[in-house]
Amino acid sequence: DAMVIQNPRYQVTQFGKPVTLSCSQTLNHNVMYWYQQKSSQAPKLLFHYYDKDFNNEADTPDNFQSRRPNTSFCFLDIRSPGLGDAAMYLCATSRRTAQETQYFGPGTRLLVL
Amino acid sequence: AQSVTQPDIHITVSEGASLELRCNYSYGATPYLFWYVQSPGQGLQLLLKYFSGDTLVQGIKGFEAEFKRSQSSFNLRKPSVHWSDAAEYFCAVGENTGFQKLVFGTGTRLLVSP
Repeated sequence: DAMVIQNPRYQVTQFGKPVTLSCSQTLNHNVMYWYQQKSSQAPKLLFHYYDKDFNNEADTPDNFQSRRPNTSFCFLDIRSPGLGDAAMYLCATSRRTAQETQYFGPGTRLLVL
Repeated sequence: AQSVTQPDIHITVSEGASLELRCNYSYGATPYLFWYVQSPGQGLQLLLKYFSGDTLVQGIKGFEAEFKRSQSSFNLRKPSVHWSDAAEYFCAVGENTGFQKLVFGTGTRLLVSP
């Protein structure tokens, strides 16, 4: 019954060591989003895909990249994690209209040592 | 640019008491408004949403919210709180840019006392 799945749920990486977070969906939605949520803060949109079209938020650091090889999967790559990148990373999906609900995954908590 | 303000960082309510969480937004056009709930270590679950029409919106788990354009508010209410309602609640406004870009408030953490 799972709709938006994120793996792993917890990820520990070392300062500067590349890390990849995974998101998959069974909803066949054409939009997928990545949010960053730091402790006690609101989720903040990093970027989204509409099908294969990538849309980066203006203030998303270059250190964050994303890939979407097919409709079901989307990856978040952090090329050189810093201590400030420790956060919960949330994946969400929706259809491509403003009135559609976004469905969120459970998140991946990233710890940077 | 749109913004969302949730003025209460923490709220403590006794189990069985009523609840109101405040949300104020800033948006030039008719807003799309949402309330999400986040349990510890979990993702966000949609409680309810407002796009148009009836300004009193019913959601899941017994929650409702009322859109008041004159006050730029979208407060969340529940008549009787259960211990399982303890969580973080986020109000969000959706910007219609061809896709649904959500801007979230900073959240209100609800504690439920016995």
